[in-house]
Amino acid sequence: SSELTQPPSVSVSPGQTASITCSGDKLGDKFVSWYQQKSGQSPELVMYEDKKRPSGIPERFSGFNSGNTATLTIGGTQTIDEADYYCHAWDRGTHVVFGGGTKLTVL
Amino acid sequence: QVQLVQSGGEVKKPGASVKVSCKTSGYSFTRYGITWVRQAAGQGLEWMGWVSAYSGDTNYAQHLQGRVTMTTETSTTTAYMELRSLRLDDTAVYYCSRGALGAAAGTPLFHWGQGTLVTVSS
Repeated sequence: SSELTQPPSVSVSPGQTASITCSGDKLGDKFVSWYQQKSGQSPELVMYEDKKRPSGIPERFSGFNSGNTATLTIGGTQTIDEADYYCHAWDRGTHVVFGGGTKLTVL
Repeated sequence: QVQLVQSGGEVKKPGASVKVSCKTSGYSFTRYGITWVRQAAGQGLEWMGWVSAYSGDTNYAQHLQGRVTMTTETSTTTAYMELRSLRLDDTAVYYCSRGALGAAAGTPLFHWGQGTLVTVSS
């Protein structure tokens, strides 16, 4: 079982804000990354070190991490954002884990 | 541009071994590590381990210790993941990925291979 807990699914209407959470013990003390995986594709990094966006990721993606919860927020959600999202945490490289994943549905 | 191209799918019997390759290009190979991640059908991502292309140092997921070996070959800028004593539940898509410059095992994974399906079946 994963040590990072994500909701199995999140639904949002187009244009609305989607928030996906990732919970773990003292998660705020660790660096969190987020990956988007569309059906049949390899994962893609959309957020790293809690709140940094890789090149090419739209500004509507943002991240926050504090306490025991990290959150990926997608503002003005579009249908192209429909995918599975995974959080990923590490504490200076000694213990690495993915969350169980959240299916984002835009309808 | 950075590319990671993996070897083709494999079908193995329980107890056998499999070795997946990840040919890289577009960057200075020894300045980055390679992380391996797998995903069973319909399931989530599972971190398997990391290997430094500079030193050969490794960091494996605890539950795979003793069955997995990750290596790199500088002359061909290729990374390898070998998994031994295969079980039915090792059936999955295996991904190689590249992290940040000089980073260790927990690095964010900026670039990914296309995945290799390994099927374990009797």
